[in-house]
Amino acid sequence: AQSVSQHNHHVILSEAASLELGCNYSYGGTVNLFWYVQYPGQHLQLLLKYFSGDPLVKGIKGFEAEFIKSKFSFNLRKPSVQWSDTAEYFCAVPSGAGSYQLTFGKGTKLSVIP
Amino acid sequence: EAQVTQNPRYLITVTGKKLTVTCSQNMNHEYMSWYRQDPGLGLRQIYYSMNVEVTDKGDVPEGYKVSRKEKRNFPLILESPSPNQTSLYFCASSLGGRVTDTQYFGPGTRLTVL
Repeated sequence: AQSVSQHNHHVILSEAASLELGCNYSYGGTVNLFWYVQYPGQHLQLLLKYFSGDPLVKGIKGFEAEFIKSKFSFNLRKPSVQWSDTAEYFCAVPSGAGSYQLTFGKGTKLSVIP
Repeated sequence: EAQVTQNPRYLITVTGKKLTVTCSQNMNHEYMSWYRQDPGLGLRQIYYSMNVEVTDKGDVPEGYKVSRKEKRNFPLILESPSPNQTSLYFCASSLGGRVTDTQYFGPGTRLTVL
């Protein structure tokens, strides 16, 4: 079964700092990758997704992620974070080849200090 | 407004007292699923349903039941809740259950079992 690793449990940044959150997955076949965000007290929302094509994917709110096949990675980036980006971020992949289920990482909590 | 709704949003109960958490979507989605979210563990899938009368186990189905009698509803049933089922529960739906379909999440139900 597919597994997902998120390296950082909690990241604390000042406003305007650059952000990179790591995500590594285990499956080596056709890959579909997702980043979800959960703002405090809210439900999960899709931030961006990769299925094929350009490995640099742009999502909502200025976020982007780069798929690097050789490193099994799909890191999330933002050049300049804002206080409103304070949230928990989850990387997700299908549970296996052709699977409809998603396996989520354990999440990275981002705290942005004004 | 297209949405996934859950009720109740908060529930405190005692061990062994049967409870049902309702989930409803108004997007005519075929695929629905239930997740539980626990600190440090991310989201783990409990059950999912590809369509009416079709349900299947996710990663952590023990102690839970589901039913899908109508397309829009997917209730989660705890026949005999135990304290280890204290968690934050999310219902999600997607159009066809394909891995490329975006999953839409409900607002969550915070359950405490004493």
